[in-house]
Amino acid sequence: EDQVTQSPEALRLQEGESSSLNCSYTVSGLRGLFWYRQDPGKGPEFLFTLYSAGEEKEKERLKATLTKKESFLHITAPKPEDSATYLCAVQVDGGATNKLIFGTGTLLAVQP
Amino acid sequence: ETGVTQTPRHLVMGMTNKKSLKCEQHLKHNAMYWYKQSAKKPLELMFVYNFKEQTENNSVPSRFSPECPNSSHLFLHLHTLQPEDSALYLCASSHGELSGNTIYFGEGSWLTVV
Repeated sequence: EDQVTQSPEALRLQEGESSSLNCSYTVSGLRGLFWYRQDPGKGPEFLFTLYSAGEEKEKERLKATLTKKESFLHITAPKPEDSATYLCAVQVDGGATNKLIFGTGTLLAVQP
Repeated sequence: ETGVTQTPRHLVMGMTNKKSLKCEQHLKHNAMYWYKQSAKKPLELMFVYNFKEQTENNSVPSRFSPECPNSSHLFLHLHTLQPEDSALYLCASSHGELSGNTIYFGEGSWLTVV
């Protein structure tokens, strides 16, 4: 069964304290891995798509990496405005429908 | 600012009511989706429409009835809901139905069933 697991469930950082969020996946065949940011009461906001092991993408203080079993979202010198829930999702080979299988997210709190 | 607009943002309805959620996308996409987000659970895909045709119904109860009159608009008609249906309902769109196309979400409609 295709599955996505995110850890930790919650993470509290001090401003400037770098860390990483983990997304591990078990799928029959990976088509793509997506990272989204979700603020309270709002819809998920697209951040990155990664397609193959070894791929990396960056956006401001965020950097996403991908291996054959997991993805990391590295946050460098975070600021309070980076506080949000970060969602990971995978697309699986073999289907025409653009399905995303989501993890439960990591709730990040950055304190000033 | 989002290219996918949902109304209403908040809705409270009784179990015998009939209401509808509306979604409009301004991204010139041709695939639209309904997702359900409940507390402590992953987002769940409900329905997929591609060029106005429904291509996926993820075993959703018939008390949820989708409608897609054109590629830019999507509705979710609600009737005789249960309290456990209270959740955030998210509309989304993408360029196509094929895998690899990024899905963009709206702000969501918070539904409370009393």
